[in-house]
Amino acid sequence: QVQLVESGGGVVQPGRSLSLSCAASGLTLRDYGMHWVRQAPGKGLEWVALISPDGVDKYYSDSLRGRFAISRDNSKNTLYLQMNTLTPDDTALYYCAKGPREFWSGVLIDLWGQGALVTVSS
Amino acid sequence: DIQMTQSPSSLSASLGDRVTITCRASHGITNYLAWWQQKPGRVPNLLIYAASTLQSGVPSRFTGSGSGTDFTLTITSLQPEDVATYFCQKYNSAPATFGQGTRVEI
Repeated sequence: QVQLVESGGGVVQPGRSLSLSCAASGLTLRDYGMHWVRQAPGKGLEWVALISPDGVDKYYSDSLRGRFAISRDNSKNTLYLQMNTLTPDDTALYYCAKGPREFWSGVLIDLWGQGALVTVSS
Repeated sequence: DIQMTQSPSSLSASLGDRVTITCRASHGITNYLAWWQQKPGRVPNLLIYAASTLQSGVPSRFTGSGSGTDFTLTITSLQPEDVATYFCQKYNSAPATFGQGTRVEI
């Protein structure tokens, strides 16, 4: 069964850091671009970041660039999101999502994980 | 960056009604536009991509149209299971921005 499973969520104090992981099963992650998307409680979807299959090209939401970092370890079939200097506004369900093999035809998402909840609170 | 503006933010309609949601891009994105349906507590489900291509398994009452900057999602005959929030998303390149969402109620 093809699936993405996020982990690493939890409660963190403001100003602290947290790292999320996304493990893939049933597919070879290194073949695909990967996204992070977040959703604050009761709010809409917010695109966070995208990484190319080889990990060389990284793209970020303007509002999060500099605090968040996307990375991947293709040998472990795993995607990561490092989040620094967290604030209560970062409280959200963080989804990893699978993109295309190449970006010349767009970066459409075709598979979502179930999400990892991050709560930033003192 | 290109902004995506969806309207309305919410709507209430009757069973069998025709429902229309619009999405406007601040700059042209040709047809790199997807529509997502999200039910409470669920992962988003892809309805339409390439502005008008119906994803496999999605009922034909969902239709998409538009190109460039103006796009429309239409539910031709609203059903109880269509109660959800709908999002447009540009995907021509990063950032793959979402619209703010439209909550559809009956």
